[in-house]
Amino acid sequence: ILNVEQSPQSLHVQEGDSTNFTCSFPSSNFYALHWYRWETAKSPEALFVMTLNGDEKKKGRISATLNTKEGYSYLYIKGSQPEDSATYLCAFSGGSNYKLTFGKGTLLTVNP
Amino acid sequence: DSGVTQTPKHLITATGQRVTLRCSPRSGDLSVYWYQQSLDQGLQFLIQYYNGEERAKGNILERFSAQQFPDLHSELNLSSLELGDSALYFCASSVEGSGISPSSPKQFFGPGTRLTVL
Repeated sequence: ILNVEQSPQSLHVQEGDSTNFTCSFPSSNFYALHWYRWETAKSPEALFVMTLNGDEKKKGRISATLNTKEGYSYLYIKGSQPEDSATYLCAFSGGSNYKLTFGKGTLLTVNP
Repeated sequence: DSGVTQTPKHLITATGQRVTLRCSPRSGDLSVYWYQQSLDQGLQFLIQYYNGEERAKGNILERFSAQQFPDLHSELNLSSLELGDSALYFCASSVEGSGISPSSPKQFFGPGTRLTVL
């Protein structure tokens, strides 16, 4: 059974704060690590797909890093805004490049 | 809007019944994936189809089956329904997924079908 762990489970920050959260995954048999953003009453939206150790990806105020040797990825949000409030999911792909194992997500709430 | 459509949006049925969930992928996408989101569970991968063929299988129950048709839409059939099958069922699609191209493609998710089994 693959374990993909995300921490913290939930996070409350003030508008303008920068924040980060973690995704841990098996370090063996790594293929790719995905990050998705899931707003309430919408469907998950792909943010990044990362495949190489040391990869860094950026999209606006959101960025992610990847360490495949130790099995973790960080997602950073700079200057959080209320519209960033969502559940952030990571998903691990190992061996089979299409089957994704999702973590339970980090629920971010940004207070105005 | 991801371009992936799912019908119906909501479905309420009784235990023992059979239902069919439908998914149309984004234009040009050949792969379709099905996921189940139950209470307190993460998204659970059920099955993937690529261009009509089953490509990868997750923890899909024997009571569940899926297929992808020549027009690339997919259906997930759930039979002998139990209370525990109540969940949000998502379909996602991607361009790649053949197993030949060495990539892990972004998946584009539909709005989901909420199934309630009473």
